[in-house]
Amino acid sequence: DAGVIQSPRHEVTEMGQEVTLRCKPISGHNSLFWYRQTMMRGLELLIYFNNNVPIDDSGMPEDRFSAKMPNASFSTLKIQPSEPRDSAVYFCASSPPGQTNQPQHFGDGTRLSIL
Amino acid sequence: RKEVEQDPGPFNVPEGATVAFNCTYSNSASQSFFWYRQDCRKEPKLLMSVYSSGNEDGRFTAQLNRASQYISLLIRDSKLSDSATYLCVVRSGGYQKVTFGTGTKLQVIP
Repeated sequence: DAGVIQSPRHEVTEMGQEVTLRCKPISGHNSLFWYRQTMMRGLELLIYFNNNVPIDDSGMPEDRFSAKMPNASFSTLKIQPSEPRDSAVYFCASSPPGQTNQPQHFGDGTRLSIL
Repeated sequence: RKEVEQDPGPFNVPEGATVAFNCTYSNSASQSFFWYRQDCRKEPKLLMSVYSSGNEDGRFTAQLNRASQYISLLIRDSKLSDSATYLCVVRSGGYQKVTFGTGTKLQVIP
């Protein structure tokens, strides 16, 4: 079975540009999570969706970040305008329906570098 | 106080040694607990869930202490391939809010 699919795997762009990261969760999973990981701050939860609805976006750093989940099989994380401090690895994860004992499955991540 | 705290390490241990990590959490209403493993430049992967009665998977043993609000991971007979960062994960709430610890780095030395 296909796991969580993220694209692109790597992105290098200049500051000020718009960046769009994409995620396809595992089929049948109804929770989707976006994380950012840096050496300094570790793994930070940015936002998570349940049944396509954003539940908690308190981790989104600022208005330059936005996330959408138009349907159960696709989500985007957008940064506009991008800044060098946004450079990080961005992970998407999904988990199946059920109680809180369901683990998350991570995609390979998108390595973002803002010059 | 952080919601989930781990000793960052690194823990440098010789092959064959037994090593244990602890992780403390602040939310007494937390419901589910996991250990994830992350290799350098890779995504986190589920190592094992942590059950109330404790559970074992081969060389790995996980335990939960609700009274003191910590979970532990014990690795016996360490292998070189166990070298990685081990992330503690705590889940709570009806919508499955997830909090990751910052991870404990393990280096197994030949």
